[in-house]
Amino acid sequence: GENVEQHPSTLSVQEGDSAVIKCTYSDSASNYFPWYKQELGKGPQLIIDIRSNVGEKKDQRIAVTLNKTAKHFSLHITETQPEDSAVYFCAASKISGGYNKLIFGAGTRLAVHP
Amino acid sequence: DSGVTQTPKHLITATGQRVTLRCSPRSGDLSVYWYQQSLDQGLQFLIQYYNGEERAKGNILERFSAQQFPDLHSELNLSSLELGDSALYFCASSVGDTKDRVSVNFGPGTRLTVT
Repeated sequence: GENVEQHPSTLSVQEGDSAVIKCTYSDSASNYFPWYKQELGKGPQLIIDIRSNVGEKKDQRIAVTLNKTAKHFSLHITETQPEDSAVYFCAASKISGGYNKLIFGAGTRLAVHP
Repeated sequence: DSGVTQTPKHLITATGQRVTLRCSPRSGDLSVYWYQQSLDQGLQFLIQYYNGEERAKGNILERFSAQQFPDLHSELNLSSLELGDSALYFCASSVGDTKDRVSVNFGPGTRLTVT
């Protein structure tokens, strides 16, 4: 069935370093890959997403890369700041005719130390 | 602020009871989704509605049901509650009408505690 694996489960970095979170999906028909940031006591917040016809997308300090052949996608955060500390979730979905069933990874708890 | 609202914020109830969680999607969004987040299961997709019709279904228990009303708000009904139903329940919404507007935005959640 549909499955998304996410690594690592925890990540600790020093402020200013880069952080990389990796995900692998099982359904080759998946065509939409969003990333969410969840802070304590809040709902997941969409931070960046990528479609299957794009290999890379950047938004300021955040970038996502997609390797369709290997069914891998990754989140890269550069120049990390303490406020980047949160749980990050990757997800994959097969968008079709309004159908959009996001399958989430288990999450990565990122801690950025000053 | 995602624009998605959920009530109540917290709910404490006993086993065997029934509760209703309510969600109002972001203005202009036609699709509503329900997700369950628990420590051992992560974020699990329950169900999606688009403009009042069920569009996708996940591993939603038979004790759970949902609907989307003509004004597009949605309700998730949980019955015969068990201790294991204790979790955060998130509603999310998206425009949902074309493949170009697919971003899904989550509400703040309802924390359900079953005692």
